[in-house]
Formats: sequence, structure tokens, C-alpha cells
Amino acid sequence: EAGVAQSPRYKIIEKRQSVAFWCNPISGHATLYWYQQILGQGPKLLIQFQNNGVVDDSQLPKDRFSAERLKGVDSTLKIQPAKLEDSAVYLCASSLVVGTGELFFGEGSRLTVL
Amino acid sequence: LAKTTQPISMDSYEGQEVNITCSHNNIATNDYITWYQQFPSQGPRFIIQGYKTKVTNEVASLFIPADRKSSTLSLPRVSLSDTAVYYCLVGDSLSYNTDKLIFGTGTRLQVFP
Repeated sequence: EAGVAQSPRYKIIEKRQSVAFWCNPISGHATLYWYQQILGQGPKLLIQFQNNGVVDDSQLPKDRFSAERLKGVDSTLKIQPAKLEDSAVYLCASSLVVGTGELFFGEGSRLTVL
Repeated sequence: LAKTTQPISMDSYEGQEVNITCSHNNIATNDYITWYQQFPSQGPRFIIQGYKTKVTNEVASLFIPADRKSSTLSLPRVSLSDTAVYYCLVGDSLSYNTDKLIFGTGTRLQVFP
């Protein structure tokens, strides 16, 4: 079974530039999550989708971050404009059944903002 | 949401059993306890989940006392490949029908030969 796919794996940009990350969840998984993991810290939930609707985006910095999940499958996370403190790994995860606590994570996209 | 406390780091040697304890004093009735493992440059991987007593799978065992204010992840006979960060999470799987799991800083386990 294919896992959660993310791209790009690495991205280096200058502050104030924009960047987009793509995620393809495991087939059939209705719930999709974006996490931000800063070096040395645990992942922090940015946004959660159930199919193509947003369930929780309380920790998403909406002035610069946006995310969408068209057709309830793939998702894109965008940062515009980027700040130095956005340097982190952006992890996408999906789950088959809400409420089980079992999330399947991708390998992440590492962003460096100079 | 219940907060968890776990040791920042632990060292062990190959072949030993490792027990990582997590404290969650404010755990709620509906909360489950879930453990994840994370290797460098990879996303976290689900290890085990439990509600009470003991749960065992092919990877680990999870011990939860009656008061559920703590839990212990037990890794039998660790190998070098078990070197990773281990996260204990407590989440209310019934609240708002979500999996809002909060990751702490985790326990960095280093296994030596």
C-alpha cells in the first residue's frame, strides 16, 4: 500500500517569498492533516480536513498560511510571504477513520527560509 | 486537552528492555493514550494505543494503571534501530469527532551497542 506522498522534500527560499507544498494521502483516507515541526520540537497541528472541509484550523497563521483540499484528495499548503520563523518540516498525515488516533505521516517537506 | 510529561532523553544498550513513562494527570474519561515513534528525517509512526490496562502488539507493550494518570511504553530487547524520538499523546477521540492529538517534545531514546 502506497504511503502518504509529499513534495518537494526540500525547499530553500528567501524571506517574503512564497512556497507551496503538496500532499497526496493514502487512498481512501478521508481525513488529512498538516503539521509543522520546528527543529527539536514535536509536530504542531496546523490544519485538519475531513474530505474537503476544514475541521480545525485554529493554529494556522491565516495571515500568511493557506491550505486547500480540492475534491477531497490531494492538498496544498501555501505560505506567502514566508518569514524566517517558518523554517521547519511540514508534515502531511492522513487517517482512515476519525477517532482512532492512528495517523499515517509522510516524510515531510523541509523548508529553509533565508 | 490533557498535557503529557515524559523524560527528555533515555539511554539503553542493545538487548535491554526499555520502559518510557508518560505522565498525564489531567486525562479525561474519553481520552486514549497513543505512542508514536519518529526517526530523523521521517514523519512519526504510530506504535500503539490503549485506553486502560495492558495492550501488546508485535512492536511494543503499553501499560496503563487503573487511575490512567500515567502510562508506560515498553520496548522489549531494543536494537540500534530503535534509536528514535518517542511521543506520548493523549487525545479525546470523541471531541468534535476529530483526532486532535497534541505532540509534546518527546523522549529521545539512544541505543548503544
